[in-house]
This record gives sequence, C-alpha cells and structure tokens, in this order.
Amino acid sequence: EVQLVESGGGLVQPGGSLRLSCAASGFTFSSYTMNWVRQAPGKGLEWVSYISTTSSTIYYADSVKGRFTISRDNAKNSLYLQMNSLRAEDTAVYYCARIGVSYCGADCPIKYWGQGTLVTVSS
Amino acid sequence: SYVLTQPPSMSVAPGKTAKITCGGNNIGSKSVHWYQQKPGQAPVLVIYSDSDRPSGIPERLSGSNSGNTATLTISRVEAGDEADYYCQVWDSSSDHVIFGGGTNLTVL
Repeated sequence: EVQLVESGGGLVQPGGSLRLSCAASGFTFSSYTMNWVRQAPGKGLEWVSYISTTSSTIYYADSVKGRFTISRDNAKNSLYLQMNSLRAEDTAVYYCARIGVSYCGADCPIKYWGQGTLVTVSS
Repeated sequence: SYVLTQPPSMSVAPGKTAKITCGGNNIGSKSVHWYQQKPGQAPVLVIYSDSDRPSGIPERLSGSNSGNTATLTISRVEAGDEADYYCQVWDSSSDHVIFGGGTNLTVL
C-alpha cells in the first residue's frame, strides 16, 4: 500500500524557516516523480514544486521561487521542502503528492496524496 | 501564466447530471486531470488524461475536453458526490502545474 506521511509543520513567525519531510513507503520511491501541493484554509489547491526521480529537473511556483527548495533522498525514501523567508500567505496544509506512473513527468496526474501537514505563519 | 477557470459552485438534485466546466485558452490541446476533495480529506484523482478513469472510480464520472473547455460529467448524482472538484493541467510554457480554482458541488 502506498503511504505518504508528511511531518515538520507547525507555527513559525514571519521571516522564519521550516523544513517539511515526507516519508514514502509501499513503492519504489526512486522511480516516481514527486510534488508538493498546498491548500490555504478554505481555499483551493495550489501547486508548489516538482522534482524528478534523480532530482535533475525541479520546478517551482512563482510564489515560492527563491524561497523554497525541494529535494529528495532516494536512499531514505524521503521528500523534503525547505521553506525560508516565510510569509503569512504561506499558511496552508502542505501535501506530499506522487505521480501515478513510474518515470512519468510533471504533465502526469497525481495519483497519491499524503494527509498533509499544517504550516501556520504568524507572529 | 496559464489560467484555468471553474465556476465556484453548483448544485444538482440527486439522480440528475452535473457538468463541471474548466475553461482555459486552447485547453483542448492539453491533458486535463480532475480531482475530488471532500472536507478534511486529501484530494482523489477521478479523471486523468481528459477522459480516463482510475480503477475504483465509478463509470458515472466521465470527462471530455475540446476547444477552450474541459468538462467533468457526473451522471445519476448521489449524495456522496458532494465535494470540491479541481481541474489540473501542465503548462509547458511556464513549466508549471496549474490547478483550477475549484467547484463546490452541492447535492440538493
């Protein structure tokens, strides 16, 4: 069974940093591209970042580019999101999300989602 | 960048058909995916590549895509279909994944 478990969320002050982690299990992590998607309270889905299987291709939403860094450790079956210079508008549930088909790119549908971790940016 | 437009809300009576639209410039040239999200839950993929259904998704849900509009059709609507629905595409011009704003479907 595919499992994606996010951790690392919490309350942080504006300008602060946070590192999210996603522990993957039930599949060959190194074979699947991954995304982070967030959802502000009461709002819609917003894509944050994409990373290919070997980390050779990375994309970011304009709203986080230069502040967030996506990475993965295939040996540890883990996905990460380093978030710096956090703003109030970054407050959201952050989902770790896996593409459905192995070695499929960013144009492929997201088949599996974690339950999300809440990040609150507030003083 | 590329924008996907969905009606914020719609309502339908049980047993009727709901058509949720997703508008975008020449969206017919892109591959559209649809997600269902119920309160407090993670999204679920219900349609991919315009009209394909993942295993476990009922045949009552179908998708189409042409011109400037993609459509998710839910036939014989049930109370359990009440949820938010999001369309999504890949915009190769900007290297961005794009989500529509979402449509809240209410079953009367």
